[in-house]
Amino acid sequence: QVQIQESGPGLLKPSETLSLTCTVSGGSISGNYWGWVRQPPGKGLEWIAYIYYTGYTKSSPSLESRVTTSLATSRKKFSLHLRSVTAADTAVYYCARTVRGEYVDVWGPGMLVTVSS
Amino acid sequence: EILMTQSPDIVSASPGEGVTLSCRASQNVWSSLAWYQHKPGQTPRLLIYGASTRASGIPDRFSGSGSGTEFTLTISSLQSEDFALYYCQQYSNWRTFGQGTTVEIK
Repeated sequence: QVQIQESGPGLLKPSETLSLTCTVSGGSISGNYWGWVRQPPGKGLEWIAYIYYTGYTKSSPSLESRVTTSLATSRKKFSLHLRSVTAADTAVYYCARTVRGEYVDVWGPGMLVTVSS
Repeated sequence: EILMTQSPDIVSASPGEGVTLSCRASQNVWSSLAWYQHKPGQTPRLLIYGASTRASGIPDRFSGSGSGTEFTLTISSLQSEDFALYYCQQYSNWRTFGQGTTVEIK
């Protein structure tokens, strides 16, 4: 059974880059789409981006200018980088396996990232 | 951006009762709609995709219907474990979520 675990700094200052690494266990990166979803405190879910195991990636139109994604298949990791963060980027960030990049069938436990000076 | 609006925000029901949750899209999303269940302290769980197809392991008391802009999730007979927050999500044009409907115990 595939499991995903998020890791990275939980506290950032405004203008810094959020780097979230997702580690996959119980399955392979290959053949799958992976993604990131976030939930600001008290707000709804927002889909950030997804990446196919080939490296094809697509990001939210509202975030794409600040988002970079990558994966390291042999190390079973995929990563999100969000540049120039502000307090509005404070959220629980979820790593996920997605079906064709369309909807999520496996979620990581989520990680709170706080942006504060 | 396609706006997803769920109603009601909260529904109160007793175990054994049936409930219907609604999700409306601001434009046509065809059948590109998923439903998730989210309980406090847990990760969301995929219930339905393609508007009406149950995900693996989902009991048949959960059913989804609709297409275009109007969708419903029906829970035919609430079990104690079904009291939770439910989200819809479209994947026709990027991916956006509704704000959620809470199913609470009456």
